[in-house]
Amino acid sequence: NAGVTQTPKFQVLKTGQSMTLQCAQDMNHEYMSWYRQDPGMGLRLIHYSVGAGITDQGEVPNGYNVSRSTTEDFPLRLLSAAPSQTSVYFCASSYSRTNSNQPQHFGDGTRLSIL
Amino acid sequence: RKEVEQDPGPFNVPEGATVAFNCTYSNSASQSFFWYRQDCRKEPKLLMSVYSSGNEDGRFTAQLNRASQYISLLIRDSKLSDSATYLCVVTSGGFQKLVFGTGTRLLVSP
Repeated sequence: NAGVTQTPKFQVLKTGQSMTLQCAQDMNHEYMSWYRQDPGMGLRLIHYSVGAGITDQGEVPNGYNVSRSTTEDFPLRLLSAAPSQTSVYFCASSYSRTNSNQPQHFGDGTRLSIL
Repeated sequence: RKEVEQDPGPFNVPEGATVAFNCTYSNSASQSFFWYRQDCRKEPKLLMSVYSSGNEDGRFTAQLNRASQYISLLIRDSKLSDSATYLCVVTSGGFQKLVFGTGTRLLVSP
């Protein structure tokens, strides 16, 4: 199993550009989520999904869109990139939407710089 | 006030030492508690869940005090490979919505 796969690993954008960060998991996990990690802030939840067709906002959703058309994929879209969105982005998944003791499996991360 | 608070460290300890990290959380409704480990520029990985009765996994012992809203992690006989950032994590507002502390950095030296 590949686990959670994120692409790209690195990206540099100009202010105002849009892009999609890809996340795929091959573990048939119900729950998927996106976090951003900034120095001194810890990981913060952007959006999450409890299953195909179901998404919801996390702590810091502004400027980002998500969709979940399949169980496997959970892309994160930056609509109009801003320097404040420079960060490391992690996608995570876990097996059950209801069992909070299930471990979250993280992807390797995407390092995004907005100029 | 942050929902999960940790001392950022770094904690510098020699090999073989015992070191303890603490974490406090503000949401009394939190249901589940974890310690994750994150190596430099890598993804977080689950170290262990934390149960009310306390639990141990080899050299690692986790404790939870719900009354004081306090979580701890004890590492015995530290190894060089234990050098990492340790993240205290609690659930909030829903089963799988995790809130992460900013992490405590541990440096183990020879």
